[in-house]
Formats: sequence, C-alpha cells, structure tokens
Amino acid sequence: DTAVSQTPKYLVTQMGNDKSIKCEQNLGHDTMYWYKQDSKKFLKIMFSYNNKELIINETVPNRFSPKSPDKAHLNLHINSLELGDSAVYFCASSRVKETQYFGPGTRLLVL
Amino acid sequence: LAKTTQPISMDSYEGQEVNITCSHNNIATNDYITWYQQFPSQGPRFIIQGYKTKVTNEVASLFIPADRKSSTLSLPRVSLSDTAVYYCLVGDWENTDKLIFGTGTRLQVFP
Repeated sequence: DTAVSQTPKYLVTQMGNDKSIKCEQNLGHDTMYWYKQDSKKFLKIMFSYNNKELIINETVPNRFSPKSPDKAHLNLHINSLELGDSAVYFCASSRVKETQYFGPGTRLLVL
Repeated sequence: LAKTTQPISMDSYEGQEVNITCSHNNIATNDYITWYQQFPSQGPRFIIQGYKTKVTNEVASLFIPADRKSSTLSLPRVSLSDTAVYYCLVGDWENTDKLIFGTGTRLQVFP
C-alpha cells in the first residue's frame, strides 16, 4: 500500500481556473505538509498542518489554501491559477518532530 | 534562516565511495540535519538524519563536525541505482515553515 498518495498525478488547466489536489496518508501521522518544486528543482515548503495548527510559509499567495477533512487527508486548493503556479506539488506527512515521508507528486501545468 | 549550499553535481563510478558536503553556516541550536534522495518523477525519500558527530544506518553515514556548520553524506560503494538528486535539509521540526531544502546535488554514477 502506498504510504502517501496524491491525485491527480498530472493536472493541465487554463489560467484563471480553480483546481484541487488531494493527498492521503495511511501512516497514522499527525502532521501533513505541502511543498512546491519549481522548474529549477528548488523544493519549498508551503504549509504544514497538524489538526491543531496551520503554519503557512509567508511567501505563499493566499490563492492557495489547504483543507483537511480528517487527519489522514490534506487537500490543496488553488484559486485563479496563474502561469507561475506550474510546478510539481508534493504532499508529505510525519509524526510530530520526526522526518517526513513524501508522496509521488502532482505535476501541474497552467496554460 | 539556515540556508544550505551543496555542489550542483558530482560524478562517480560503481563501487566507489561518494561524499557529498553541505554547508550550513547559520545553523541554529535546535536545527537537525536531514538528507533526502530524489529520483526523477518521484518525491524525496529520507536517507539519514543527525544532530552532531556521526550517524550511520544501512544506507549511508552522516558526518557532522563539532561546529555543525557543515555536514557530509557518505554513500559507500555506490551503484547505478544511486544516481539521483541528494538534498540537504536543515531545520527545526517545531518550526516547519522555516524548513529549507538545499539546491540539491545531482549524483551520476557510471558503470
């Protein structure tokens, strides 16, 4: 069984659209994260969430919002998509203060 | 913020030992040093983590000098399947919004 899964694997959409990426972990972890990896392969954290607290990287536009329906899921919603949002988005999870396990990534292309 | 600097790329041959060094001059007292491996089209995968001195597991060793301003990931007897990008991550897991991945080192192993 996949520990951290993401859907969809690929997402191609037009500028201005709203889209969501789903993430699920079956590791029983209490903290989940979203990362963005751009074309230069820089990996930057966007959010971390542990049921009690959402920590947001201050550089993330407010068009991005994480939503957690339950402890095993942290979905990423993106409003009014822009060309610069094209990247690979990784979900990860961990126990508090422990190392992170990453999902396979979602490749987003905004046209 | 503890920024990291790594060589952009390294080449090696099968069976050799590979050492990848990461500089983190501004590392804070509470920061841990973690290394991840990333294959194309996959999420980063945890390799090893340490705070000071030396840590060894079944995959790699991590050497951290007393001043902790750098760290060296050592991969013994690499194989072709070790060809990947290796990221150094320095951060305090209690402040996940401050976690910063390095630029990554692209290791190419030749037969």
